[in-house]
Amino acid sequence: EIVMTQSPATLSVSPGERATLSCRASQSVSDNLAWYQQKPGQVPRLVIYGASTRATDFPARFSGSGSGTEFTLTVSSLQSEDFAVYYCQQYDSWPLTFGGGTKVEIK
Amino acid sequence: EVQLLESGGDLVQPGGSLRLSCAASGFTFSTYGMSWVRQAPGKGLEWISSIAGSGGGARYVDSVKGRFTISRDNSKNTLYLQINSLRADDTAVYYCAKRIIAGPTYFEHWGQGTLVTVSS
Repeated sequence: EIVMTQSPATLSVSPGERATLSCRASQSVSDNLAWYQQKPGQVPRLVIYGASTRATDFPARFSGSGSGTEFTLTVSSLQSEDFAVYYCQQYDSWPLTFGGGTKVEIK
Repeated sequence: EVQLLESGGDLVQPGGSLRLSCAASGFTFSTYGMSWVRQAPGKGLEWISSIAGSGGGARYVDSVKGRFTISRDNSKNTLYLQINSLRADDTAVYYCAKRIIAGPTYFEHWGQGTLVTVSS
């Protein structure tokens, strides 16, 4: 099983600032990495797939990078609607596994 | 528009059973694999099972093997999850999700979830 580790667990950021979230895989997943956003009481929403391809609902301030075992989700200028928990997920092999999440909170 | 609607969640005693359903619409159901993902209260996401569009190729996370069974009825556009021998740590919101491709995949479409609570 590929273990996905996200850091930090909580990220405190002021609106308008950049947020950088990290995700590490215990073995290479190539670029088979997705990011999801989840707000309290809501369903997860796909943000990024293929490590760097942005889903249609998300603006250009969201970007993903990395390959192999190290990945980053960057939100260039945080807006109020971006404060949420973000999860990474590898889909390189079974079982599919998610990271533990990073909560992005208002500083 | 893709729509996924789960049902069947309930309060169940330890050792009990439950069958969850996910009614799908807005796409050709039999063409796509489907999955179940769960989320315990205040915790992260956990993939638990997937099935191919044909109904074959079922896969499970180790923690549910032998207790959970995924199935589908393509004539009813419905996905199922039979959960047996329920334990307290099975308490979670259970989401169904549409697979993008055959094989391991990410999830673009999720249902709203159904809550399973295991407690005496």
